[in-house]
Amino acid sequence: EPEVTQTPSHQVTQMGQEVILRCVPISNHLYFYWYRQILGQKVEFLVSFYNNEISEKSEIFDDQFSVERPDGSNFTLKIRSTKLEDSAMYFCASTQGQGLRSNQPQHFGDGTRLSIL
Amino acid sequence: LAKTTQPISMDSYEGQEVNITCSHNNIATNDYITWYQQFPSQGPRFIIQGYKTKVTNEVASLFIPADRKSSTLSLPRVSLSDTAVYYCLVGAFSGGYNKLIFGAGTRLAVHP
Repeated sequence: EPEVTQTPSHQVTQMGQEVILRCVPISNHLYFYWYRQILGQKVEFLVSFYNNEISEKSEIFDDQFSVERPDGSNFTLKIRSTKLEDSAMYFCASTQGQGLRSNQPQHFGDGTRLSIL
Repeated sequence: LAKTTQPISMDSYEGQEVNITCSHNNIATNDYITWYQQFPSQGPRFIIQGYKTKVTNEVASLFIPADRKSSTLSLPRVSLSDTAVYYCLVGAFSGGYNKLIFGAGTRLAVHP
């Protein structure tokens, strides 16, 4: 079964540094998402992306964050100047879109653990 | 997206059937009910989705009464590997894209 892959699995970065988290969504999927989960807390929506532009973003997704689909396969999340509170698991997800009789579920990667020192 | 309420935690033993009920009193006509499972240090994994009555797949069943104000995820004969957090989500997901709003979920512990 095809799956969403994320790299790296663990990223350790100094506060104030830029970090790029990478995702390869399932190949025929059209909608892409980033979520984060701070240790012990809920999974939180960050941003959705379709047709090379942001569809929706949460209040967490401020000017320090950006997303990009630089080619036909990768989907990246960049944090420009990391803060201690950015430490979390970051999950990428993708979905084919809305099906005829049901909503296509989102498929998640296993995440990147981001640790800010 | 409709608000959901589910138990914070449940305990079970290997081989038993587990039923996790989710309340969604404000479910809208176009809303679907979707369940995800999450293991530690992994991303949520889609389990099952339904609109009404009963849906069954190779891992679970989903029971939805006629008023759709609640739903029950049924896991037959659980094993230790079913220990995870289970999330109930409700939403119309219209427009092709959607954001998933996760609650705290139900932490299921399966004991030997």
